Amino acid sequence: TAGITQAPTSQILAAGRSMTLRCTQDMRHNAMYWYRQDLGLGLRLIHYSNTAGTTGKGEVPDGYSVSRANTDDFPLTLASAVPSQTSVYFCASSARQGATGELFFGEGSRLTVL
Amino acid sequence: GQNIDQPTEMTATEGAIVQINCTYQTSGFNGLFWYQQHAGEAPTFLSYNVLDGLEEKGRFSSFLSRSKGYSYLLLKELQMKDSASYLCAVIDSNYQLIWGAGTKLIIKP
Repeated sequence: TAGITQAPTSQILAAGRSMTLRCTQDMRHNAMYWYRQDLGLGLRLIHYSNTAGTTGKGEVPDGYSVSRANTDDFPLTLASAVPSQTSVYFCASSARQGATGELFFGEGSRLTVL
Repeated sequence: GQNIDQPTEMTATEGAIVQINCTYQTSGFNGLFWYQQHAGEAPTFLSYNVLDGLEEKGRFSSFLSRSKGYSYLLLKELQMKDSASYLCAVIDSNYQLIWGAGTKLIIKP
């Protein structure tokens, strides 16, 4: 079972360029999330989607946008990357909304903005 | 503000027992998770506590005291593969998940 697939696994990006991190799940989960993980900090929620067609802002949404055209896909776009967006990005899904369900994570996308 | 405190790093010996503590100050409480994350990998679910007490699952147990804002993860019969970071996360009153920075556990032979 694939679970959640993220791409790319690693990317170096010049500041000012745009980038889309892809996330696909095959578990038919309604809720999906994008987190960033930085050294010494807890996971921080960027954006979330409780169901296809809806999205919401998390704790650190600035500089990022998402879309949820269908149940399976939840891409994250950086319109104009800045060095502070250097991080490891995790996509996650859950069968339940409202943070009460177990989260299933993708393997992460390591992004370096120079 | 909301805060989750965990020790940054702990060291233990193979075959021993280790307890990883998590204290929280959040606006309300609707449950607490523990996740395991090996270096360079994704976090994976370990346990969920919403009522006070101890939940046992094989070599791993998780304890919760809501009145004290405190939880711990107990790992028994430590194996080298238990070397990982352990993340504590609390669901607040708005059903937002607040994450601790994680505890890096180093197992020595």
